[in-house]
Amino acid sequence: AQTVTQSQPEMSVQEAETVTLSCTYDTSENNYYLFWYKQPPSRQMILVIRQEAYKQQNATENRFSVNFQKAAKSFSLKISDSQLGDTAMYFCAFMKHGPPIIQGAQKLVFGQGTRLTINP
Amino acid sequence: NAGVTQTPKFRVLKTGQSMTLLCAQDMNHEYMYWYRQDPGMGLRLIHYSVGEGTTAKGEVPDGYNVSRLKKQNFLLGLESAAPSQTSVYFCASSMRDYYEQYFGPGTRLTVT
Repeated sequence: AQTVTQSQPEMSVQEAETVTLSCTYDTSENNYYLFWYKQPPSRQMILVIRQEAYKQQNATENRFSVNFQKAAKSFSLKISDSQLGDTAMYFCAFMKHGPPIIQGAQKLVFGQGTRLTINP
Repeated sequence: NAGVTQTPKFRVLKTGQSMTLLCAQDMNHEYMYWYRQDPGMGLRLIHYSVGEGTTAKGEVPDGYNVSRLKKQNFLLGLESAAPSQTSVYFCASSMRDYYEQYFGPGTRLTVT
């Protein structure tokens, strides 16, 4: 079974600084997807960024980028020029990629989350 | 376009009572999911559905039942609530399993 580990329960930085959140995962699969989800105090889960394992290029979305190290099974999220609105829980998640499953589906496996606080 | 909605937003139950959580999506998604979120444990999949009339067990299905009678609705039932089911419940939907999952706002359930 796949596992996802986020070793930093909490982090805190000043506004405009750059912060990196860590995520490691354990899998024997070669094809998979990795995600970062953000959960602000409103509780809404929002997709931040997604990475396909077969792509060597790291995904970026505006101020958010990832450092995907497939051999090390590491998938960290970098937030540049952090803003107060980035304050949230951040969850790393893994999904295996495989052939269609009859009456089934590949499932998201979440890490425990990192609580990020951006201070003014 | 409301996305994914959940009813109710909050609920308090006594041990042994039953209730149903309703999830509705207006994006014509085939796949729907129910998760629970407990402190320090991230989200865990309870049950999911890959289409109208089909359901399947996730990681933590015990004590819950689900139904998908209509494509846009996915119901989660607790037949006899227990304090261990105190949690925040999230519904999500997606076009396919490896596409982005869109989440509802969550339901905070307390069982006393």
